[in-house]
Parts: sequence; C-alpha cells; structure tokens
Amino acid sequence: DAKTTQPTSMDCAEGRAANLPCNHSTISGNEYVYWYRQIHSQGPQYIIHGLKNNETNEMASLIITEDRKSSTLILPHATLRDTAVYYCIVRVASGSARQLTFGSGTQLTVLP
Amino acid sequence: DVKVTQSSRYLVKRTGEKVFLECVQDMDHENMFWYRQDPGLGLRLIYFSYDVKMKEKGDIPEGYSVSREKKERFSLILESASTNQTSMYLCASSFLWANTEAFFGQGTRLTVV
Repeated sequence: DAKTTQPTSMDCAEGRAANLPCNHSTISGNEYVYWYRQIHSQGPQYIIHGLKNNETNEMASLIITEDRKSSTLILPHATLRDTAVYYCIVRVASGSARQLTFGSGTQLTVLP
Repeated sequence: DVKVTQSSRYLVKRTGEKVFLECVQDMDHENMFWYRQDPGLGLRLIYFSYDVKMKEKGDIPEGYSVSREKKERFSLILESASTNQTSMYLCASSFLWANTEAFFGQGTRLTVV
C-alpha cells in the first residue's frame, strides 16, 4: 500500500471549515483513500473513503485531486468534539483487502 | 451496531508472564487486526488475519503471536511480556474487500511491570 504524508498538527476555529491535507504521491490506480479519526482514549473511527470522485457523507467531504496524488478532508463546520488525530490511509482496492496500515496522522485542535 | 469488543480495558502484568489479549467481533468480518499505539508513533500493525487459522505479520510482529480458531475471535499473545510491550493495544475488524470500513475496539491499556 502507498505511503501517505500529513502535517503533524493543525488548528481550526470552532464553526469554521477544517481542511486536512494528505499527500499520497505514489498511489496506484487501484488504491482507495480512507480517512479515520481517533478521539483521545478511544479506538479510531471511520469517516469517509473514495477512489477517484469526490465524496460527501454526514460527517465530512473528501476531495481527491485529478491525478489522485493528494486529497483533502473537509469538516464543514468544526466543533470542539472534532478535536482528534486524523489519519489518511491508502488501501488496495482489487483482490482481498488485507493489511491496513496507519501513518502518524494530523492532530486537529478546534479552538473555541 | 457493529461491535468489536476487547476483553479488558486495563491490564497489569509482570515481566515474563504469558499474556492473552482477546478480541471478539459480531459482524462476521473476515479481516481482523491487532495494533499497538505509543505516543508519537501512531498505530503500528502487529498481525492481521483474513480467515480462520490464517495470519500474516504486520510491521512489528516480534515478541507477539496470534490465534484465530473461530471467525469472530482474534487473540494476541505475548509469550513472555517485557516492559517495552507496555502500550495501548487496539483490535479492528472489517470485511474482506478493500471498499469497506474497519471497526475498532476501545483498546486495552497494558502495563508490564
């Protein structure tokens, strides 16, 4: 699976959009981009994933560049409860999905 | 709701003890994973399993073994616990194919003294 690069930390004002970038320049055509988050002292929680097209669900939006070498997770109206470590992962799509490897993630702090 | 249940939230063991960490999932998932998490190092994959009795090493398998005798249960075994295995251990499960999310347990904080 391709490696990802994320900033170590980011701040965001409450109520504003949080935009979390992720570089995955070695991504292959058959790899999905996944985002998870981990709130302190809890297990990671799935947020969203995509292959080529932008995706939106009740939690967030995922914007994937046309060349698929980077993506951005958008939390449209960040709240204090969104303070967490956010992980960007790429995972092979074809065949059986086996290894699921996390990087260091981005610590997002939402400020009041 | 999908549930991934880890047998203990907190555990204290002595150096040299054999330690079993148990994980059970109720969604008939093929994949199960064990991670450890340490400050500044993120989640590191220890072992994973994609079927009963099948296992593959992750990034840091040394000092650990696993057992998957039933589809719903995945056990992590520390053959002889050492202080450097003091960590948060997280279990996860997912369906086999890549286009699915993984669900995590709440974690077991293991302290080896």
